[in-house]
Amino acid sequence: GAVVSQHPSWVICKSGTSVKIECRSLDFQATTMFWYRQFPKQSLMLMATSNEGSKATYEQGVEKDKFLINHASLTLSTLTVTSAHPEDSSFYICSANLFTEAFFGQGTRLTVV
Amino acid sequence: DAKTTQPPSMDCAEGRAANLPCNHSTISGNEYVYWYRQIHSQGPQYIIHGLKNNETNEMASLIITEDRKSSTLILPHATLRDTAVYYCIVRVATGNQGGKLIFGQGTELSVKP
Repeated sequence: GAVVSQHPSWVICKSGTSVKIECRSLDFQATTMFWYRQFPKQSLMLMATSNEGSKATYEQGVEKDKFLINHASLTLSTLTVTSAHPEDSSFYICSANLFTEAFFGQGTRLTVV
Repeated sequence: DAKTTQPPSMDCAEGRAANLPCNHSTISGNEYVYWYRQIHSQGPQYIIHGLKNNETNEMASLIITEDRKSSTLILPHATLRDTAVYYCIVRVATGNQGGKLIFGQGTELSVKP
């Protein structure tokens, strides 16, 4: 199947700093990618839809100025967590659709200390 | 997208069939039933999807009732590696341009020796 890759797999950062997470579709082009967040023992929560060449669409309650999304090419979307705080520590997952199927990255574990 | 209801947890003996139910009584005529699973600390993995006919692939079988208000995912011979959270999702299959997945709480399947 198609491959979606995230980088890094895990990151530890200090409170107040920013962290960038990359999501790449390795063998297909994706005009739309999706970003999810998952807290321990909980389900995936959709944060935003990343649109190539245009602004991202954020779900209700997600701060667009804190979670910056850039989708500059058909194979790359980035999520930047700005001024990170310990409550932003979570598992971040991206996905991209190919035909009728969604393919997910392996996730990025963010720990803010 | 329509909501789904799944039991929070199930146990299954290794080598036996695992039958995971899902209720989606408000499904629309153009919505498909998708199943994904998530092994701990990994991104979700696609299993199977269907519209109204039963489907089978190398991983599982999907049985959809005639009224489409419920479905069952069948893992014919469960192994320890099938231990995961299984998500049943209904959505319009719109291909690359859209079709975000909204995750419910899923069923935590534990396969025991």
